[in-house]
Amino acid sequence: NAGVTQTPKFRILKIGQSMTLQCTQDMNHNYMYWYRQDPGMGLKLIYYSVGAGITDKGEVPNGYNVSRSTTEDFPLRLELAAPSQTSVYFCASSYTVRYNEQFFGPGTRLTVL
Amino acid sequence: RKEVEQDPGPFNVPEGATVAFNCTYSNSASQSFFWYRQDCRKEPKLLMSVYSSGNEDGRFTAQLNRASQYISLLIRDSKLSDSATYLCVVSLNTGTASKLTFGTGTRLQVTL
Repeated sequence: NAGVTQTPKFRILKIGQSMTLQCTQDMNHNYMYWYRQDPGMGLKLIYYSVGAGITDKGEVPNGYNVSRSTTEDFPLRLELAAPSQTSVYFCASSYTVRYNEQFFGPGTRLTVL
Repeated sequence: RKEVEQDPGPFNVPEGATVAFNCTYSNSASQSFFWYRQDCRKEPKLLMSVYSSGNEDGRFTAQLNRASQYISLLIRDSKLSDSATYLCVVSLNTGTASKLTFGTGTRLQVTL
């Protein structure tokens, strides 16, 4: 099992550009999550999904969109990139709700200039 | 008050030392508790879950005090490889999903 994979590892965007961060998991987990981590800050939840076709907003959803067409994939879309979106983005997945042990991908380091 | 507060790092300890990290959380309805470890420029990885009765995994012991809304992590016989940031994480079930709230982390540096 590869676990949770993310692409790209690094990306530099110009203000106003858009991009999609890819996330795939091969553990057949129903629950998937997108977080951002800023220096010195805890991880903040952007969006989450409880299964294919179902997504919901987290704590900091503005400026982002997601879709979940399959169990495996949970892409994060940035429209009109802004410097405030410079961060490290982590995708995670979990099997159950009750104990919610989440498995994280290696992250995408995004810089918006 | 932050939802999850941790000791401000960094902790610099010699190899073989015992070190303890503390964490408090503000939402008394929180249901699950975890310690994650995050190496520099890497993703967080689950270190251990924390149960009401306390639990031990080798050199690591985690304790939970629900009345005081306090979680701790004790590392005995520290190794150089324990150097990392330790994240206190609290989970609250919202019905359809669980919301994880992460502390900002406590950095541990183990030295020779």
